[in-house]
Amino acid sequence: QVQLVQSGSEVKKPGASVKVSCKASGYTFSSSGISWVRQAPGQGLEWMGWISAYNGNTNYAHHLQGRVTVTTDTSTSTAYMELKSLRSDDTAVYYCARDYDYIWGSWGQGTLVIVSS
Amino acid sequence: QTVVTQEPSLTVSPGGTVTLTCASSTGAVTSGYNPNWIQQKPGQAPRTLIYKTGNKHSWTPARFSGSLLGGKATLTLSGVESEDEAEYYCLLIYGGAWVFGGGTKLTVL
Repeated sequence: QVQLVQSGSEVKKPGASVKVSCKASGYTFSSSGISWVRQAPGQGLEWMGWISAYNGNTNYAHHLQGRVTVTTDTSTSTAYMELKSLRSDDTAVYYCARDYDYIWGSWGQGTLVIVSS
Repeated sequence: QTVVTQEPSLTVSPGGTVTLTCASSTGAVTSGYNPNWIQQKPGQAPRTLIYKTGNKHSWTPARFSGSLLGGKATLTLSGVESEDEAEYYCLLIYGGAWVFGGGTKLTVL
């Protein structure tokens, strides 16, 4: 079955960067896409960006452009999300989800990122 | 800034039927917005129930259905069960960028 397994929790200082991984299995990774979503404590879901594992095309949420980068490594069926210049309000659980042809499928289990001095 | 609006909260009795709606600040929601509906229970990762307006995944219970009505995307639960108590989010696409609604907290009481 389709599985997305994310990397573990991170604690970062303001101004630092974080890179979260999402390893996919159970489907042809290179023919699909991955979206990244975050959820601040007690808040709703926020879409951050998307990447096609087929051709590397990306789309980003306007307010995060320049700070977020999503990439893939098709040799390991892994997607990555890097967020730079971290602030305290970037503290959130970060999720990856399979997103192909406007179809949202399976989600990862989430990665908690805490930004604190 | 595009805003997707959902009811903040709804309450339904077990066995009842409830419809959640999803509206766009840009106008009527059409199939071109490719509505997806996401369920999230406390402490759990989200789960996609409905994609492209009204299509179900293999894991989606039959009591969930999606459609378009009155310029909005809708999610209808028929024969509600206690396990359906959760937050529900709609998701619309605007020129390559997805936008989540604020979520509807569904209480089964």
